[in-house]
Amino acid sequence: DTEVTQTPKHLVMGMTNKKSLKCEQHMGHRAMYWYKQKAKKPPELMFVYSYEKLSINESVPSRFSPECPNSSLLNLHLHALQPEDSALYLCASSPGQVSYNEQFFGPGTRLTVL
Amino acid sequence: AQTVTQSQPEMSVQEAETVTLSCTYDTSESNYYLFWYKQPPSRQMILVIRQEAYKQQNATENRFSVNFQKAAKSFSLKISDSQLGDTAMYFCAFIRSPYGSSNTGKLIFGQGTTLQVKP
Repeated sequence: DTEVTQTPKHLVMGMTNKKSLKCEQHMGHRAMYWYKQKAKKPPELMFVYSYEKLSINESVPSRFSPECPNSSLLNLHLHALQPEDSALYLCASSPGQVSYNEQFFGPGTRLTVL
Repeated sequence: AQTVTQSQPEMSVQEAETVTLSCTYDTSESNYYLFWYKQPPSRQMILVIRQEAYKQQNATENRFSVNFQKAAKSFSLKISDSQLGDTAMYFCAFIRSPYGSSNTGKLIFGQGTTLQVKP
């Protein structure tokens, strides 16, 4: 299995809703990432988990809450989002502590905040 | 801080022809890796090609090859025999070598080049 899966593919939520994005990989990777991507822009790093511990938080607002229950699974909990949070949310994984750090990306979740 | 610059926001090429996408970067690191990622309109980002900075030989993957000029900090992507399926946004990316580090490095992306392959 050489892929990263993300669910749901699309999500529409109101500003008062609570929802979660899910990411899964079975490649034995030990680093997992959340990115936010606006149209025609590069991905912006949000969080990095390394060996199931949060290692990088790029000053993301607290309405985004990441969780890494195990080495294969990564969640992003959403609460009280703003319309400007509408974007494509990409998950990625990489082998972690190896001689190079190629990241494998999932297909993304298209989030719309009304 | 590392930066990656892609100076061509949009490009087009006729099917079967060759096109070169430019990328320059700035770093004080001596060990690092460079990547070209492709993101088609269906949006999944996939790795096209990878280059280790310590290797002088340019990487090649089928129709894709790079021209890596370390001293000039240039990393261009050449696509030969362009196909309609090559239509996508292409991102050049840099990461410092994490070898020996307990933390993963951050992938630094350029702004991207939108490539349109015309029939």
